[in-house]
Amino acid sequence: EAGVVQSPRYKIIEKKQPVAFWCNPISGHNTLYWYLQNLGQGPELLIRYENEEAVDDSQLPKDRFSAERLKGVDSTLKIQPAELGDSAVYLCASSLGTPNTGELFFGEGSRLTVL
Amino acid sequence: AQRVTQPEKLLSVFKGAPVELKCNYSYSGSPELFWYVQYSRQRLQLLLRHISRESIKGFTADLNKGETSFHLKKPFAQEEDSAMYYCALEGSNYKLTFGKGTLLTVNP
Repeated sequence: EAGVVQSPRYKIIEKKQPVAFWCNPISGHNTLYWYLQNLGQGPELLIRYENEEAVDDSQLPKDRFSAERLKGVDSTLKIQPAELGDSAVYLCASSLGTPNTGELFFGEGSRLTVL
Repeated sequence: AQRVTQPEKLLSVFKGAPVELKCNYSYSGSPELFWYVQYSRQRLQLLLRHISRESIKGFTADLNKGETSFHLKKPFAQEEDSAMYYCALEGSNYKLTFGKGTLLTVNP
């Protein structure tokens, strides 16, 4: 089993440019998460989906960040325009559902560098 | 609000020595606590959860509601235990909140 797949693994862009990250969760996992991990910090939740519904997006900066999960499978996280402070690792995770007993399966992450 | 505090950013021990990674939490309800681990060049993965009362790779963690702690312990550390460890709390709305992590280094 491939696990949670994310792309791209690395992205370098200039500030004010747009960027998009893609995530394919484990087959059968209804719940999908996007986390932000800054250097030296733990993951912080950006958005959680139950199937195609965003059930918790309270931490998503909606002025520049957007996400979608069409058909309740793959998901895309977009930043437009990117700022210097957005440089971080963007982690996608999935779980069978909620309550999920806390076991999230993480992807390898997408490392964003904004110049 | 729910919060997880890991007071040590770095922890270094020698092989065979006991190790304890500290975790304290703040949550008004009844929490579910977990430890996640990230080995070098690997993805973040679940190590153990308090509801299972299990021992994984020799690690155990006891939830102490009086002290609001969930410290991770192992009596004899091994070099392969070197990794980044994150304590996490599942609170309201099934939201999983992570601490900042502790980097454990086990020296030969």
